[in-house]
Amino acid sequence: GQNIDQPTEMTATEGAIVQINCTYQTSGFNGLFWYQQHAGEAPTFLSYNVLDGLEEKGRFSSFLSRSKGYSYLLLKELQMKDSASYLCAVRVRPSIGSGYSTLTFGKGTMLLVSP
Amino acid sequence: GAVVSQHPSRVICKSGTSVKIECRSLDFQATTMFWYRQFPKQSLMLMATSNEGSKATYEQGVEKDKFLINHASLTLSTLTVTSAHPEDSSFYICSAGEDDAGELFFGEGSRLTVL
Repeated sequence: GQNIDQPTEMTATEGAIVQINCTYQTSGFNGLFWYQQHAGEAPTFLSYNVLDGLEEKGRFSSFLSRSKGYSYLLLKELQMKDSASYLCAVRVRPSIGSGYSTLTFGKGTMLLVSP
Repeated sequence: GAVVSQHPSRVICKSGTSVKIECRSLDFQATTMFWYRQFPKQSLMLMATSNEGSKATYEQGVEKDKFLINHASLTLSTLTVTSAHPEDSSFYICSAGEDDAGELFFGEGSRLTVL
């Protein structure tokens, strides 16, 4: 199975920078996703890493180290609307056969941005 | 970008009745779609992988006779919760991607309340 760990809660101030870490243990790694989810809504895609390194997309950046089983999501210039749950998800190839990869989610990190 | 649409967004039903939820890929064909369930303040749990033209693959602990999945076309998968009970009340979300290597898109989610 897969084991994905991320902090349960984080708090930060408007305008600041926050880094949300995610560690995972899995076989058949086929990419790591970060999603944002507001209460009562479906997750929205933020980033996707399959190779080591940093992917930057506006105020959001995501880093991956496959050898360490580690990723982080970096949010800059925090805004109040960034208060949400941030989900780390690992895509894993099937162990047998030619089936489709599946996506397993961590428990999510609830980020609270205060004025 | 690719869009996945889910319907209905909210449904309330009486205990013992069946409820059908539809998941459509609007501008791409999806041979595989995924169904997730999310209880309050918990992460998304994969229920099953829906395969076009063949039987769905269910995760351990998910009753296949209770959660019927049909993937009759390359753009539509349906999840039917049969003989629903209050403990089935949850947020059900589908996802799909154009292939096994790229982004996975989520539907808007369907909130089921069983009275």
